[in-house]
Amino acid sequence: GEDVEQSLFLSVREGDSSVINCTYTDSSSTYLYWYKQEPGAGLQLLTYIFSNMDMKQDQRLTVLLNKKDKHLSLRIADTQTGDSAIYFCAESDQTGANNLFFGTGTRLTVIP
Amino acid sequence: ETGVTQTPRHLVMGMTNKKSLKCEQHLGHNAMYWYKQSAKKPLELMFVYSLEERVENNSVPSRFSPECPNSSHLFLHLHTLQPEDSALYLCASSQVQGGKNSPLHFGNGTRLTVT
Repeated sequence: GEDVEQSLFLSVREGDSSVINCTYTDSSSTYLYWYKQEPGAGLQLLTYIFSNMDMKQDQRLTVLLNKKDKHLSLRIADTQTGDSAIYFCAESDQTGANNLFFGTGTRLTVIP
Repeated sequence: ETGVTQTPRHLVMGMTNKKSLKCEQHLGHNAMYWYKQSAKKPLELMFVYSLEERVENNSVPSRFSPECPNSSHLFLHLHTLQPEDSALYLCASSQVQGGKNSPLHFGNGTRLTVT
């Protein structure tokens, strides 16, 4: 079955860049997503990238996709304490309503 | 109110109780989902309703019973739960059109504790 893997923890200093990595196994993945979960809250969609793209930038967020290696990363520039949260990578082959697969999430801690 | 709303936010119940979780989406979507989030485990998809028809039931125990009366509302009825069912239960919605699925939008979840 589909497998999405992420490292569990990442710590960075405020103002530095954060890079959160994700690998997936499904070669038919069409969309790849990054979600953010703050304490006590649900998952908030941050950004997503279509598999025929290799980069997408949205303000402080940059998503890089290496489809050959099935590797996805999320870079957060000028990381702030408000960015402390759990970040989930997810992938979908977009064939219906029930095919979104999540990683275990990476807990980002921003040190002031 | 916009987005996906879940009630209650927190629920403590005994193993012999019967309770229900409620989810309402105000996004005009036609698919709704229940996910279970436990510590140190990936999100587990429990149930999917698309156009009010259940299309996924991932071997979830019968003590969890979903209900989708219309495309905007989703319930999860709970009875005779076990302590290991304690988790955050997340509802999500999306738009499925032409076999393609929009990104999922999540509610804030119900934190369930079974004593």
